[in-house]
Amino acid sequence: KAGVTQTPRYLIKTRGQQVTLSCSPISGHRSVSWYQQTPGQGLQFLFEYFSETQRNKGNFPGRFSGRQFSNSRSEMNVSTLELGDSALYLCASSLAGQGSFLEQYFGPGTRLTVT
Amino acid sequence: AQSVTQLDSHVSVSEGTPVLLRCNYSSSYSPSLFWYVQHPNKGLQLLLKYTSAATLVKGINGFEAEFKKSETSFHLTKPSAHMSDAAEYFCVVKALGNDMRFGAGTRLTVKP
Repeated sequence: KAGVTQTPRYLIKTRGQQVTLSCSPISGHRSVSWYQQTPGQGLQFLFEYFSETQRNKGNFPGRFSGRQFSNSRSEMNVSTLELGDSALYLCASSLAGQGSFLEQYFGPGTRLTVT
Repeated sequence: AQSVTQLDSHVSVSEGTPVLLRCNYSSSYSPSLFWYVQHPNKGLQLLLKYTSAATLVKGINGFEAEFKKSETSFHLTKPSAHMSDAAEYFCVVKALGNDMRFGAGTRLTVKP
């Protein structure tokens, strides 16, 4: 079974631009969560989507948004990029959502650099 | 509320010696606990998880962890370190209905 895939793997953008990251979960998984990983803040939860609905959201500004499609693929968008948005963005999928204890499976991440 | 504290930001061991990575958690409800490993420039891989079954949990690559409710701990151990174990390790706590909360990570260095 193919794992979680994320595209692109690396991205360089300038301040003020916007960016869209894509995540394809493991086949059959309906929950997709997004995380931001930085050296200073560690791993922080952005949001979770389950069956095309946002179930939970972390403490990030409205510039960070996402969506999930009917095939469970998810996209994350960051508008008006700031230097502090430079990070590794990780996507994780799970069979069920936050109402379960099922583990999440992570993709390799998208490394975003904002200059 | 739930949180997790990894007591060591960096652990260094010699190859062939035991590994101990410490994790304490806080949760209002009975949580599930996980250990993930992250190799450089890679995503996170699940090592093991505890979900209120046996308190001693065995994972992949010879790792195991023991859930101690009285001490609110979930330390990760391995009897004999291998060079390939060098990576960042994350302890994670999850309560039902909540997102996963990650510890700050422990960087494991294995010396030859």
